Amino acid sequence: EVQLVESGGGLVQPGGSLRLSCAASGFTFSNYAMTWVRQAPGKGLEWVSSISIIGTGTYYTDSAKGRFTISRDNSKDTLYLQMNSLRVEDTAVYYCAIYGSGSFYPGGWFDPWGQGTLVTVSS
Amino acid sequence: DIVMTQSPDSLAVSLGERAAINCKSSQSVLYSSDNKNYLAWYQQKPGQPPKLIIKWASTRESGVPDRFSGSGSGTDFTLTISSLQAEDVAVYYCQQYYSAPITFGQGTRLEIK
Repeated sequence: EVQLVESGGGLVQPGGSLRLSCAASGFTFSNYAMTWVRQAPGKGLEWVSSISIIGTGTYYTDSAKGRFTISRDNSKDTLYLQMNSLRVEDTAVYYCAIYGSGSFYPGGWFDPWGQGTLVTVSS
Repeated sequence: DIVMTQSPDSLAVSLGERAAINCKSSQSVLYSSDNKNYLAWYQQKPGQPPKLIIKWASTRESGVPDRFSGSGSGTDFTLTISSLQAEDVAVYYCQQYYSAPITFGQGTRLEIK
């Protein structure tokens, strides 16, 4: 069974940093591009960042460029999101998800998704 | 960026009745070389992550009930639930994957009347 388990969320002050992790199991992690999508409380879905199979191709939403870094460790089946200079508006549940088989990176659908980890940026 | 706009924002339908959710993209998501529409639909139930239900605008995922169908091409798309069941209460999102950045519609909340 495919499993994605996010961790690393929590309460952080504006300007602070967090590193999110997404532990993958039940599939060959190194064969799939991965992504982070966030959802602010009571709001819709916002794509944040994606990474290619070997990690050389990365994409970011404009608000994340220069502040967030996506990476992966295929030896550990783990996806990461390093978030620096956090802002109040970064408060959200952060989901990791797998690019669907047959997707054309960086375009693609996401399936399945993890349960998410909550990041709260507040003073 | 391609802007995805869903309508309505919320919808209340009686059990057994038809529900239709619309999604409009600010530019075409039909790729001419393969004649495919680069559009997906997701269902998100309360407290759960989104679940993919349709890709390529009309290809239903395995295990998704056949009362769910997707239609449309170019810039205008529709998700239809032919006979609403109680378990279909959720927020539904469309997503384009034609070009980066990937963008989602704002969501449509579907409730029972």
